[in-house]
Amino acid sequence: GQQVMQIPQYQHVQEGEDFTTYCNSSTTLSNIQWYKQRPGGHPVFLIQLVKSGEVKKQKRLTFQFGEAKKNSSLHITATQTTDVGTYFCAGRTGGFKTIFGAGTRLFVKA
Amino acid sequence: DVKVTQSSRYLVKRTGEKVFLECVQDMDHENMFWYRQDPGLGLRLIYFSYDVKMKEKGDIPEGYSVSREKKERFSLILESASTNQTSMYLCASGFPGGEKYFGPGTRLTVL
Repeated sequence: GQQVMQIPQYQHVQEGEDFTTYCNSSTTLSNIQWYKQRPGGHPVFLIQLVKSGEVKKQKRLTFQFGEAKKNSSLHITATQTTDVGTYFCAGRTGGFKTIFGAGTRLFVKA
Repeated sequence: DVKVTQSSRYLVKRTGEKVFLECVQDMDHENMFWYRQDPGLGLRLIYFSYDVKMKEKGDIPEGYSVSREKKERFSLILESASTNQTSMYLCASGFPGGEKYFGPGTRLTVL
């Protein structure tokens, strides 16, 4: 069936280091969304990408959507302790269906 | 601010009990969703609804049913709870094609 694979599952970084999580879909996506879930919290929407090759930035976060609309990445520059949590991508395959990746859990050591 | 509320944060039930989880949103969203979240598996869609009285199965509907009698309310029903349904249940709502707003979640334990 349709899948959205997300890697890595976990990432430990020292504060100030960069971090990247990747999502890959087995099918072309109409859009991709990114969410952040703080420990003990619920997923919170970060951004949506729609166009092929799209790049969007939010302060230290950079989001990319691949040219083939099958992959996406989230890059955080100079991580801070406030960045800890799990980052999920969610790809829309058409109609109402959105498939979530398993998430990447980020640990930041001060 | 969009608000999605869920009836309980924590729930403990016994095997075989009928369990109701309720979700209410205040933004007039057409779409509502029920997910379960398990470590290493991410969020898996149980059911969703795109209008009152309309429902569609998600990826793991077995053992669950839903009800949407009013636009703002979406209920998840476990007809006969089993231990493998111990999980975090997240409700979400949103406009078609748009971002999802999640509730705080219900951590259900089935003994």
